[in-house]
Amino acid sequence: SQQGEEDPQALSIQEGENATMNCSYKTSINNLQWYRQNSGRGLVHLILIRSNEREKHSGRLRVTLDTSKKSSSLLITASRAADTASYFCATRGNKLTFGTGTQLKVEL
Amino acid sequence: DGGITQSPKYLFRKEGQNVTLSCEQNLNHDAMYWYRQDPGQGLRLIYYSQIVNDFQKGDIAEGYSVSREKKESFPLTVTSAQKNPTAFYLCASSRDLANTGELFFGEGSRLTVL
Repeated sequence: SQQGEEDPQALSIQEGENATMNCSYKTSINNLQWYRQNSGRGLVHLILIRSNEREKHSGRLRVTLDTSKKSSSLLITASRAADTASYFCATRGNKLTFGTGTQLKVEL
Repeated sequence: DGGITQSPKYLFRKEGQNVTLSCEQNLNHDAMYWYRQDPGQGLRLIYYSQIVNDFQKGDIAEGYSVSREKKESFPLTVTSAQKNPTAFYLCASSRDLANTGELFFGEGSRLTVL
């Protein structure tokens, strides 16, 4: 069964705007990870946030984690057309479980 | 360059045939995984292995088989018992099973049953 559920399922924005994706999960976790997948390709790891961390940054990415609400968000600032992809959260408990993903489209 | 290589990228199969998807890694990782991805769904774990000659069933192992004869290789066989095999298959690896870090993925193999 899926642990993480992303919201929204699809998101379309203009280049330069910020994109926010949310992930909710059900059970306790060791960490939460975000991955990116370009169409027809493999997944690429973006960022990992541990259960004792609340916020983490990497370049234009900002991830937050609220363990009390069992939710996380991924913010991509100043989006570019090249950010167009699907984004997945994955929660690490006993194993790594992936959500259903958010399809992001960044238009010129 | 270190990484994971999956082959073939595209594969067509007739009903009733077994097919084997190749996965090779040169990252010196102990743990390897096979996931299945269907449109609109996330990744579902088929099998995983943390050491040579040992592997465990994931969430959807029925109709699949694997082997781990070498650390570098983790092939997946989709058998005729798999009722709906058309999907995108992804192989991944991590340093070890207990490692809570990231997974490294191959580029995937798309299987279509005709």
